[in-house]
Amino acid sequence: NAGVMQNPRHLVRRRGQEARLRCSPMKGHSHVYWYRQLPEEGLKFMVYLQKENIIDESGMPKERFSAEFPKEGPSILRIQQVVRGDSAAYFCASSPRRQGAHTGELFFGEGSRLTVL
Amino acid sequence: RKEVEQDPGPFNVPEGATVAFNCTYSNSASQSFFWYRQDCRKEPKLLMSVYSSGNEDGRFTAQLNRASQYISLLIRDSKLSDSATYLCVVSNSGNTPLVFGKGTRLSVIA
Repeated sequence: NAGVMQNPRHLVRRRGQEARLRCSPMKGHSHVYWYRQLPEEGLKFMVYLQKENIIDESGMPKERFSAEFPKEGPSILRIQQVVRGDSAAYFCASSPRRQGAHTGELFFGEGSRLTVL
Repeated sequence: RKEVEQDPGPFNVPEGATVAFNCTYSNSASQSFFWYRQDCRKEPKLLMSVYSSGNEDGRFTAQLNRASQYISLLIRDSKLSDSATYLCVVSNSGNTPLVFGKGTRLSVIA
């Protein structure tokens, strides 16, 4: 009964390169959330997706960041032209229903740690 | 004012001690509250929900004070394995994402 799978676990990129982070939710979960955790900071919401739809991207930076959750395959968080400030841990979480006031449990993956040189 | 504020710690306590963390939230309309636990360089995991009437799970007790807009977590008889960062989490409405505090770091010492 696999949990949320994220890969790569660690990714090193030089400034200006692209980073692609993948997330496979738990079996039976169709709701995916991406959070970013900067060093010594809390988790910050980025985007919420369901299959083929972006539901809430209020936490996504306006430029260089995009996310998708195709009908087949994992959810992908894409960061173009990375800068040093993008260095962080990116966590994906899934849930079987829309997370909200009454459903506080999100199942997190182990995270992808991006380092930008 | 931040949406969710926590004392970052660290709290260094001996085994067997009782320790309490508080967390304040700014949105009086917040509806649901949770404590998550995050081990070093690991993912967060739900520890417990926080109900208006307070709730207990073994050595852990969580309480909510809506009037003062804070929640608390009490850990009794601390174990070495309790060493982690404890995240206060708030949900403002049925359709908004969970808001995480920065966490309070606990270190239980033998």
